[in-house]
Amino acid sequence: GAVVSQHPSWVICKSGTSVKIECRSLDFQATTMFWYRQFPKQSLMLMATSNEGSKATYEQGVEKDKFLINHASLTLSTLTVTSAHPEDSSFYICSASAGSRGTEAFFGQGTRLTVV
Amino acid sequence: AQKITQTQPGMFVQEKEAVTLDCTYDTSDPSYGLFWYKQPSSGEMIFLIYQGSYDQQNATEGRYSLNFQKARKSANLVISASQLGDSAMYFCAISGNTGGFKTIFGAGTRLFVKA
Repeated sequence: GAVVSQHPSWVICKSGTSVKIECRSLDFQATTMFWYRQFPKQSLMLMATSNEGSKATYEQGVEKDKFLINHASLTLSTLTVTSAHPEDSSFYICSASAGSRGTEAFFGQGTRLTVV
Repeated sequence: AQKITQTQPGMFVQEKEAVTLDCTYDTSDPSYGLFWYKQPSSGEMIFLIYQGSYDQQNATEGRYSLNFQKARKSANLVISASQLGDSAMYFCAISGNTGGFKTIFGAGTRLFVKA
């Protein structure tokens, strides 16, 4: 299957700072990328849908000014957690889709964010 | 709106036996896809199997098969000949065009394979 690389795998940051997470599709062009958040022992909750060259579409309840998403190219999307607080600590995972059909989305390895 | 329901928080199975993980869904899309993913403790999401809503036959991938009953809106995952390495979280998911093909996940089922 296709490869999606997410970086970093884990990050610890101080409260009030910003953290950027990258999601790259390595061997295909991703027209759409999705960002999810997963709390321990819970399911993946979709945060936003990112289409190349356009503004991200955020799910209800997700603060777009808090979680900045940029999808500047067909192979890269970034999620920036701004002014991070301990409650932002979570597992963030991206997925990328190559087509417009409901086909398989390929997932990155995830990023474990800890805000201290 | 799309919704996935997984009613089994945890399941136990004896090694080498088969196990069925339940999944029901709800969607207004005429065309949609159903997925199963495995998430081991490392956190990565591993794609297992896909079923399109218009596929006539149930999907199979090695030891994984999907028991798709469209009228009942169910898409159960069957794992045959369970192995210790199958112990993990399993998520059922759905994707459809009116949702912008975003993938919505169920709550998950934790599978424990006993030796």
